[in-house]
Amino acid sequence: AQRVTQPEKLLSVFKGAPVELKCNYSYSGSPELFWYVQYSRQRLQLLLRHISRESIKGFTADLNKGETSFHLKKPFAQEEDSAMYYCALGGTSYGKLTFGQGTILTVHP
Amino acid sequence: GAVVSQHPSRVICKSGTSVKIECRSLDFQATTMFWYRQFPKQSLMLMATSNEGSKATYEQGVEKDKFLINHASLTLSTLTVTSAHPEDSSFYICSAGTGGGPSTDTQYFGPGTRLTVL
Repeated sequence: AQRVTQPEKLLSVFKGAPVELKCNYSYSGSPELFWYVQYSRQRLQLLLRHISRESIKGFTADLNKGETSFHLKKPFAQEEDSAMYYCALGGTSYGKLTFGQGTILTVHP
Repeated sequence: GAVVSQHPSRVICKSGTSVKIECRSLDFQATTMFWYRQFPKQSLMLMATSNEGSKATYEQGVEKDKFLINHASLTLSTLTVTSAHPEDSSFYICSAGTGGGPSTDTQYFGPGTRLTVL
């Protein structure tokens, strides 16, 4: 069975501080990992996916198969980064995604 | 970019009635559409996967006779909550992807529909 765990439901940091949102997964196949973000009163949108290995809005995430992790990092958090972040696991049939519980990030001024 | 719309955005109905929610991909053809349910400040729970022209695949524990899904075209999928009850009150979100390939395609999400059953 596939599972995504985001251990932190809430995460608060101050502006300019580094931030790391944790994500661990469990999957026997070849995983495809994603980070989705949901800003207040907006729809869910893709932030980044491990395949593309790109940095979006200063965020990066590295897939560590040994630790089965895909943590999201940003060296200097901004207030506009405050949002709900979901880690998601794909790679299954029909392109289904399994979402983690989500982490609410609050960046204080 | 790819845009997915949902209609209605909010619906209130009486217990026992049926409610239909539409999900449309506006500027691309969606081979696959997904229906999720989201509780306040909680994760998205996948309810079913629908492929155009075929029957939907429901996740374990989701009643297919209660949540009817139709994917009649490459741009439209509908979710009908039949004989709705207060416990069906929730935020329903659809997403669409072009799918079909070996890797997981990006899913584009609709804005969601808030269903309240009185």
